[in-house]
Amino acid sequence: GESVGLHLPTLSVQEGDNSIINCAYSNSASDYFIWYKQESGKGPQFIIDIRSNMDKRQGQRVTVLLNKTVKHLSLQIAATQPGDSAVYFCAENKQGANNLFFGTGTRLTVIP
Amino acid sequence: GAGVSQSPRYKVAKRGQDVALRCDPISGHVSLFWYQQALGQGPEFLTYFQNEAQLDKSGLPSDRFFAERPEGSVSTLKIQRTQQEDSAVYLCASSLTISEQPQHFGDGTRLSIL
Repeated sequence: GESVGLHLPTLSVQEGDNSIINCAYSNSASDYFIWYKQESGKGPQFIIDIRSNMDKRQGQRVTVLLNKTVKHLSLQIAATQPGDSAVYFCAENKQGANNLFFGTGTRLTVIP
Repeated sequence: GAGVSQSPRYKVAKRGQDVALRCDPISGHVSLFWYQQALGQGPEFLTYFQNEAQLDKSGLPSDRFFAERPEGSVSTLKIQRTQQEDSAVYLCASSLTISEQPQHFGDGTRLSIL
């Protein structure tokens, strides 16, 4: 079946270090991937997205890498700050699909 | 407003009661989605609207769940005869069109069924 899973449920990093959050997906027909950040009591907040015709996309302090060969997605956060502490979800959908499929999330804790 | 607005933020109801949850999408957004998020889990799709048309309701868990968007803007998710397993955060998201990602989420309604 379709699934989006994360390798690690929790991640702790020192302030200023780089963070890498990983995500595996199983649906080879997925052509759009997105990372969301969710703080306690808030809705998911868009971070960055990538389409399957790309293997890397950069934003402000964030980079998403897509490896279609092994169906792996990662989010890299540079110079992690305390405000980055949250749960991070990867999500996917197939071209033209109505909805996103979310994984269970990784909780990132930044240690000052 | 600038973002997706949901109300109420918190709702407590007794088992068997009916509840209605409201979503105001971003102005001009054609697509509207409802998701259910259980504690510690990722959001799960419930239903999708394009304007006023409900094009996909495959994620609704039972016929007690009903959603509408009569004028193509505000949407209401109604749950009849609530059960304890309905306790969750209900998230609404909108996007400009179905192909225009990303979906922008509201802060959700936390529903607790006693």
